[in-house]
Amino acid sequence: AQTVTQSQPEMSVQEAETVTLSCTYDTSESDYYLFWYKQPPSRQMILVIRQEAYKQQNATENRFSVNFQKAAKSFSLKISDSQLGDAAMYFCAYRSNTGNQFYFGTGTSLTVIP
Amino acid sequence: EAGVAQSPRYKIIEKRQSVAFWCNPISGHATLYWYQQILGQGPKLLIQFQNNGVVDDSQLPKDRFSAERLKGVDSTLKIQPAKLEDSAVYLCASSLWQGRSNYGYTFGSGTRLTVV
Repeated sequence: AQTVTQSQPEMSVQEAETVTLSCTYDTSESDYYLFWYKQPPSRQMILVIRQEAYKQQNATENRFSVNFQKAAKSFSLKISDSQLGDAAMYFCAYRSNTGNQFYFGTGTSLTVIP
Repeated sequence: EAGVAQSPRYKIIEKRQSVAFWCNPISGHATLYWYQQILGQGPKLLIQFQNNGVVDDSQLPKDRFSAERLKGVDSTLKIQPAKLEDSAVYLCASSLWQGRSNYGYTFGSGTRLTVV
């Protein structure tokens, strides 16, 4: 089974600064998707950004970008110009190309300091 | 577009009691998932439905958990009897399959269950 590891249980960042959340994964598949989800106290999992493994270009969504290193099986999330509303749990997730379920990491709790 | 609806939002029960959770997926989404998220962990898939048929229930503790999806729309997840370790958030999600691709995967806000 695929495994996803997030080694940072907690992170903090000053408002307007940049923070990077780490994620590594293990798979024998060559075609898959990687995701970062945000889970605020409302509990809903909100999609932040998605990366297709066959694409070499790193995905970007406004202030959010990823550093996808396929050979190293690494998928980090960079949040630029951090805002108070970015404070939440962030989960890294894996899904195979034809798969049904997500495999989630254990999450990183991000605190944004005013 | 309405999201995935779940109820109740919170539930507290005593161990050995039974409980049921309800999910209404996004209209037109044929695939529905139930996840269990224990505190401090990421969500873990319990069961997946395609229309009203079960696709994957390999991680569902079938001695106490059951789920159904009548008419391929709403779904209920039941626990009977509940144990302390069942305390968790139960998330429902739905998606649309087209060909071999999975689109529009959307999560609900979950039900937080506390077993005392």
